[in-house]
Parts: sequence; C-alpha cells; structure tokens
Amino acid sequence: DAGVTQSPTHLIKTRGQQVTLRCSPKSGHDTVSWYQQALGQGPQFIFQYYEEEERQRGNFPDRFSGHQFPNYSSELNVNALLLGDSALYLCASSLGQFNQPQHFGDGTRLSIL
Amino acid sequence: AQKITQTQPGMFVQEKEAVTLDCTYDTSDPSYGLFWYKQPSSGEMIFLIYQGSYDQQNATEGRYSLNFQKARKSANLVISASQLGDSAMYFCAMREGDNTDKLIFGTGTRLQVFP
Repeated sequence: DAGVTQSPTHLIKTRGQQVTLRCSPKSGHDTVSWYQQALGQGPQFIFQYYEEEERQRGNFPDRFSGHQFPNYSSELNVNALLLGDSALYLCASSLGQFNQPQHFGDGTRLSIL
Repeated sequence: AQKITQTQPGMFVQEKEAVTLDCTYDTSDPSYGLFWYKQPSSGEMIFLIYQGSYDQQNATEGRYSLNFQKARKSANLVISASQLGDSAMYFCAMREGDNTDKLIFGTGTRLQVFP
C-alpha cells in the first residue's frame, strides 16, 4: 500500500527563482493538501486540491500556486522565491469528503540562498 | 489569539513511564476535531489519535490516549509505557468546523525518552 510520496527530498534555490514540488497521494486518496513548516514551527496550511480544483486556501500570497492532475497527483509552485520561503513543505492526502484523516509524506526541504 | 497552544517546548521521560503532553485550543465553532501527530527527525507527520468535539468518550489508540476536557478546552496526549522510539516532536492540531480539511497546528513539544 503506497503511502504519500514527495519529490524531491531536498532542494536548494536562490532568491527570485521559481520552484516546483511534487506529490503523489496515498493509494485510493483523491484529495491533496499542502503545508509549509518553517524551522521550529508547526505546519501552516497553504491550500487543498480536489477534483483538479483548488478547494480551500490558507493565508499565502499568489506566488504560491498549485495544480492537481487527473491521476490525483499534485504540484506546488512557488515563484519569486524569498529567503523566508525556506521550509519543509509537506503534502497530505485524504479522501474527498471533509473530515477524513490526512496522511502526510516525508516532505521536501527547500533552502533559499 | 493562538488557536492551538502547546506550552511545553520540551519534555523528558524515562523509558516505560507515562508522559502527558499538553494542548489547549480556542474556537467558537461547536463542531471541531482535535488531532495529535508525531514527527520524527525524518520529517513525516504520523497520525496518532483523533477526538471529535461531539465524542462522549476520550479517544484511545494503543499506548496513546487523549484526555479531552471540553469545558477547559484542553486535549492532552497521554503516552503510556514510553519507548525510546517515542522520541520525536509531537504536534496538536485542530480542524475547525465541518466543511474543511484545514488543520491548524501548535508549535509542538519535543519529547525525549531516556533509558
């Protein structure tokens, strides 16, 4: 039973660049959520995708965008990277209805130089 | 105001002893869910236990139990018979309302289990 997989594991970028992170949900799941976890903090909700649409969004600027593909996998794109974007980015998957348990991946650690 | 408050940055416990990790929450929504996750150094958030606001009994999952005191708005995690592998960060989180999957996390508690 494949769990949530994220790629890449680590990434180093410089300010102003753009980055794309990828997530494959747990087998049988159709909903993907993205979280940003800064060092020493709890994760913060970025947005959630369901049926290839952004269903809910947290308090993040438009530089953060996403996409969900027909196979339910998802991408998180961040444009014009800032030093403050350095964080662990976690993907979580669940079934379509609300209030279902979310299963997290190991995350992508993004460092901005 | 913080939605989820974890006041213990770090906790130590001896192997085989029980430990309680504190969590208080703040919401005016009558329907909410409370979660505890474990995060080892690898980064993955591992789901431990869930308590719904309307649940009458405290949730239990193996060695984990949730001490839910609704009037005090607290949802403390109790780990019984601690093991060395329990050493990790522990996060309390809340889902506020019914029509959302958004989780609001606390700042976490680092638990260290020593022999």
